[in-house]
Amino acid sequence: GQNIDQPTEMTATEGAIVQINCTYQTSGFNGLFWYQQHAGEAPTFLSYNVLDGLEEKGRFSSFLSRSKGYSYLLLKELQMKDSASYLCAGRDSNYQLIWGAGTKLIIKP
Amino acid sequence: NAGVTQTPKFRVLKTGQSMTLLCAQDMNHEYMYWYRQDPGMGLRLIHYSVGEGTTAKGEVPDGYNVSRLKKQNFLLGLESAAPSQTSVYFCASSYEGPGQGGEKLFFGSGTQLSVL
Repeated sequence: GQNIDQPTEMTATEGAIVQINCTYQTSGFNGLFWYQQHAGEAPTFLSYNVLDGLEEKGRFSSFLSRSKGYSYLLLKELQMKDSASYLCAGRDSNYQLIWGAGTKLIIKP
Repeated sequence: NAGVTQTPKFRVLKTGQSMTLLCAQDMNHEYMYWYRQDPGMGLRLIHYSVGEGTTAKGEVPDGYNVSRLKKQNFLLGLESAAPSQTSVYFCASSYEGPGQGGEKLFFGSGTQLSVL
């Protein structure tokens, strides 16, 4: 079956760095997405990776290893507003998105 | 710029009642989607549309119907609500479709539906 695994919850300190991991098992692979979702709000797009390597966007970076079926989202210089759930989604050979349950990130002062 | 607008924000139904959720987008997107989000689970696609007048089934279509009579609107209907349909429903739209690149989904603010 197809599956996306990511930790349920993580805690980090304001100003620090945190890495949220995601492993995927999909029938074929056509890209991996990360979305941010604040409590009670809509998910918003963060990043898209289809090739191996690191994509950097300001404080946020996303990494992909297709051979390992693995991705991570790296958040630097954490701010309180980064407290949110981070959703990982893989796209299979039929271009269907398979979503993980999300990682709730708690930032402490 | 409104983006994707969903109404209503909250709704409570009794088992067997019917309802329609409205989604409107002002970005001229071709592709629109309805998802449900349940605790401990990833987003699951209910139905989607690749353009005005078209609809297609997603992963969990049973018990739901949709219509896309106008490009900017995508309606989700429940004909006979069941407690298993208690969930948060999100509408989304995208400019590009699957296979056309990294289609970025724009989500509405969600509807919390409780079926008693």
